[in-house]
Amino acid sequence: DGGITQSPKYLFRKEGQNVTLSCEQNLNHDAMYWYRQDPGQGLRLIYYSQIVNDFQKGDIAEGYSVSREKKESFPLTVTSAQKNPTAFYLCASSIWSGGQETQYFGPGTRLLVL
Amino acid sequence: DAKTTQPPSMDCAEGRAANLPCNHSTISGNEYVYWYRQIHSQGPQYIIHGLKNNETNEMASLIITEDRKSSTLILPHATLRDTAVYYCIVRVWGSQGNLIFGKGTKLSVKP
Repeated sequence: DGGITQSPKYLFRKEGQNVTLSCEQNLNHDAMYWYRQDPGQGLRLIYYSQIVNDFQKGDIAEGYSVSREKKESFPLTVTSAQKNPTAFYLCASSIWSGGQETQYFGPGTRLLVL
Repeated sequence: DAKTTQPPSMDCAEGRAANLPCNHSTISGNEYVYWYRQIHSQGPQYIIHGLKNNETNEMASLIITEDRKSSTLILPHATLRDTAVYYCIVRVWGSQGNLIFGKGTKLSVKP
């Protein structure tokens, strides 16, 4: 079964704690993305990676970190420096066809602060 | 990327066709029209995209006007599971990266 998986579905963070959100894809896609969605809002780009061992900051990277050691995996760490982490986090990967990129999304992880 | 305008909400009866409009009057010749939807508390789902010809897949049809200033996404037989927010997005050919979602259209399919 091909697709993008994110875990856990819900995650609770205590004050001062770092937490890591998992994103795995078995679609053989090169590029992967992390977005954040706040209630009633659009998506905002946190980080993206076009190839293994390379990644770039998006619009709201402060307080977050990522790694891309394997093509299939792009974990996101929410650090204690992120003061307002409560949000819905979405991972995506993309494929190119006919010169066009199409992004596909995982089911999301909802992060709540205790 | 060109700006898009969509109605904030629409209703559709179950089993009928849902026609969702999108205005993109400033679209340029190398920009594609993409449609995604987001069911409550789930990740966005890719539906379809096109440049100028009408497109159809197993989920929907995309009709783009000849002047390309507007388009319509058609769900031929809407079901309750099609209730979602539908987003129309314009992207330059060959662009990669940040996908900008506007406010979209909240489609409610009613029994």
